[in-house]
Amino acid sequence: QKEVEQNSGPLSVPEGAIASLNCTYSDRGSQSFFWYRQYSGKSPELIMFIYSNGDKEDGRFTAQLNKASQYVSLLIRDSQPSDSATYLCAGRTGGSYIPTFGRGTSLIVHP
Amino acid sequence: EAGVAQSPRYKIIEKRQSVAFWCNPISGHATLYWYQQILGQGPKLLIQFQNNGVVDDSQLPKDRFSAERLKGVDSTLKIQPAKLEDSAVYLCASSLGQGDVGYTFGSGTRLTVV
Repeated sequence: QKEVEQNSGPLSVPEGAIASLNCTYSDRGSQSFFWYRQYSGKSPELIMFIYSNGDKEDGRFTAQLNKASQYVSLLIRDSQPSDSATYLCAGRTGGSYIPTFGRGTSLIVHP
Repeated sequence: EAGVAQSPRYKIIEKRQSVAFWCNPISGHATLYWYQQILGQGPKLLIQFQNNGVVDDSQLPKDRFSAERLKGVDSTLKIQPAKLEDSAVYLCASSLGQGDVGYTFGSGTRLTVV
């Protein structure tokens, strides 16, 4: 069974700090991974995707993928209160176009 | 670019009643998805359409849920009869194609079954 695991949190960090969100997956066939941000009462929005081992940076966001250890992480630098949301990790295998979502990690950035 | 439109925004029904949700994807998006998101959980795929054909409905409870996408554009998702455990947000999403990186979600329909 394909599973994507996330700690539900909440993860609380002070404004300006680095927030580190982690995700593990069980299906070694997973090839690409997505991070979605979901504000309370809103729909998910894609913020990052990664399919190669290593780091991928986009502004204040860095996605990290380690296929050998089967984990994906999202780092948010200079965290802002507006980053407070639930972050959903999703993995997709090469044989399927459908990503499997984790339950999400709640992030709270306090001033 | 207009986003994915969904209606209604909220719906409250009694158990055993029926309900229908509507979705209009982004223009030109061939692939359409319906997801169910129960409070505190990640979205779970119910059904995927490619144009007006079903690609994957393996997680759709077919005894009570049905969906259609006539003419390959708009889609409706129906629940009949509803159960208490169907209370969730129903999200519609669309993408250009099956292999598209990520997709755009609609604002969702929050269903409460009492």
